[in-house]
Amino acid sequence: GAVVSQHPSWVICKSGTSVKIECRSLDFQATTMFWYRQFPKQSLMLMATSNEGSKATYEQGVEKDKFLINHASLTLSTLTVTSAHPEDSSFYICSARGDSLVNSPLHFGNGTRLTVT
Amino acid sequence: DAKTTQPTSMDCAEGRAANLPCNHSTISGNEYVYWYRQIHSQGPQYIIHGLKNNETNEMASLIITEDRKSSTLILPHATLRDTAVYYCIVRVRASYDKVIFGPGTSLSVIP
Repeated sequence: GAVVSQHPSWVICKSGTSVKIECRSLDFQATTMFWYRQFPKQSLMLMATSNEGSKATYEQGVEKDKFLINHASLTLSTLTVTSAHPEDSSFYICSARGDSLVNSPLHFGNGTRLTVT
Repeated sequence: DAKTTQPTSMDCAEGRAANLPCNHSTISGNEYVYWYRQIHSQGPQYIIHGLKNNETNEMASLIITEDRKSSTLILPHATLRDTAVYYCIVRVRASYDKVIFGPGTSLSVIP
């Protein structure tokens, strides 16, 4: 079945540095990817929608200059947390959608645990 | 996407059936009911979906009421590994629209 892979699965970084998270669709072309953030004991919160070859659409309250999303190919989207601070520590999850799977359920990556010290 | 309401939490004894309800009274005719679950520190996992007929797969059964305003996910023989947060989502099937998650139901399977 379709697989969405996220990398890394966890990362620890120092405050002020930037961190890049990758989301790959392994056996299908993902024209649309969704990025979520999840704080402890809370539900997934949609951050942005990225479409291949175009700028991402950010949800209200999500800083686009802080959370840079690049969807340069049909199999890869990246989320870069710039100048990370401890409050950015969270669980980040991506999901992918493609034409070949438009009738299929969404597929999710296994998430990336970001800890900013 | 239509809104859904689910109980915040439920307990189920190991080996018994877990019945997780979901209300979606404003569901549209072309919207499907999807169920996902999220085990701690993992991404959501697809379970099952349906339009109006009851559905069953190797993981669960989905019972949708005739008026489609509510549904129940049934895990026939719950195990400890079924402890997770279960999300009920309604949406058009062939859609690129964003998926918004509600708070879901936290299911605890008790030995």
